[in-house]
Amino acid sequence: EIVMTQSPAALSVSPGERATLSCRASQHVSSNLAWYQQKPGQAPRLLISGASTRATDIPARFSGSGSGTEFTLTISSLQSEDFAIYYCQQYADRPPKYTFGQGTKLEMK
Amino acid sequence: QVQLAESGGDVVQPGRSLRLSCAASGFAFSTYAMFWVRQAPGKGLEWVAGISYNGRSDYYGDSVKGRFTVSRDNSRNTLFLQMHSLRLEDTAMYYCARPPRPYDILTGYLVNWGLGTLVTVTS
Repeated sequence: EIVMTQSPAALSVSPGERATLSCRASQHVSSNLAWYQQKPGQAPRLLISGASTRATDIPARFSGSGSGTEFTLTISSLQSEDFAIYYCQQYADRPPKYTFGQGTKLEMK
Repeated sequence: QVQLAESGGDVVQPGRSLRLSCAASGFAFSTYAMFWVRQAPGKGLEWVAGISYNGRSDYYGDSVKGRFTVSRDNSRNTLFLQMHSLRLEDTAMYYCARPPRPYDILTGYLVNWGLGTLVTVTS
């Protein structure tokens, strides 16, 4: 099983500032990496697929980068609605077993 | 538009069984692989199972393999998760979710999600 490790577990950032979230895979996953945002009481929402491709209707302030085992989600200028929990997920494993990271909670400073 | 509606969640005792359903609408259900993801209270997301568009192939996370079975009825646009030998640690919100492309289980990121159904395992 590919283990996904996110850091930090929690991040405190002021609105308007930049947030950088990290995700590391225990094995090479190429660019088969997605990011999701989850707010309390809601289902997750896809932000990024293919490590760097924004999903439909996702604002340009969200960007993803990386390949192989190291990945980053950057939110360039935090808005109030961006404070949430963020998860990475790999979908490289064969046969399919598409594990998630444990999440990073983005909190308002 | 794409809609996924889970049902069947309940409060059950350890060792019992439960079957969850996910009713799909707004897309050609029979052409898409489908997935189950769960989330224990206050915890992160856990990938549970996936099934190919035609039901011929299924895949499971380590913690549920041998106890859970994913299946589908394409004539009824419905996905199922049969859960046996339930444990306290199976307590979670269970989501069904759809990937981006038809016929493709290997592109396993999840574009559409239901609202979830809650399973509580307690003695």
